[in-house]
Amino acid sequence: GAVVSQHPSRVICKSGTSVKIECRSLDFQATTMFWYRQFPKQSLMLMATSNEGSKATYEQGVEKDKFLINHASLTLSTLTVTSAHPEDSSFYICSATTQGTDTQYFGPGTRLTVL
Amino acid sequence: SQQGEEDPQALSIQEGENATMNCSYKTSINNLQWYRQNSGRGLVHLILIRSNEREKHSGRLRVTLDTSKKSSSLLITASRAADTASYFCAGSPGGYQKVTFGIGTKLQVIP
Repeated sequence: GAVVSQHPSRVICKSGTSVKIECRSLDFQATTMFWYRQFPKQSLMLMATSNEGSKATYEQGVEKDKFLINHASLTLSTLTVTSAHPEDSSFYICSATTQGTDTQYFGPGTRLTVL
Repeated sequence: SQQGEEDPQALSIQEGENATMNCSYKTSINNLQWYRQNSGRGLVHLILIRSNEREKHSGRLRVTLDTSKKSSSLLITASRAADTASYFCAGSPGGYQKVTFGIGTKLQVIP
């Protein structure tokens, strides 16, 4: 149980385009989802926290207009990287948690490469 | 600032040996979690220890928590080549609140 999927697993796009990444909880209702990015050989940096039906809370330094987060249902959150640039290339990972647990369940990650 | 700081940052051992990784954190936590990440992959939750617990076991994993020293350790006994991965600790105030990851320990187990 407690499986989180992400789609796509890899995406390559041209500079200036927008990319949407989906995060789904497959067998539980995710009251809260988190989005992280990870640069090579570094740790995970939290970008934002999203609760179903409400606006996401962004960490300091993360541009909310650039990284649009939508948590429309208890099983789906999306991260859209708008007008992507090469410096946005990174590994993006989502996690989900649900009522009654402190454990976060992580998705497999999405490798974004912006040319 | 990082909640957790793992030590060492890199560790190389022979298969069959034990691997110990340490983690220190700065602020109060409700629980501390250890995760494993294979290269280029997502994170796998290994074990969660609560602030009122001192030690926890799961298979070949043993985690300790010393809240007075704000530190935790992860011991992997009888290591295997398949244990090669990066290991992260993450502290959480609990509930739906965010966890903050340390920089990780890269473990290499040599067959």
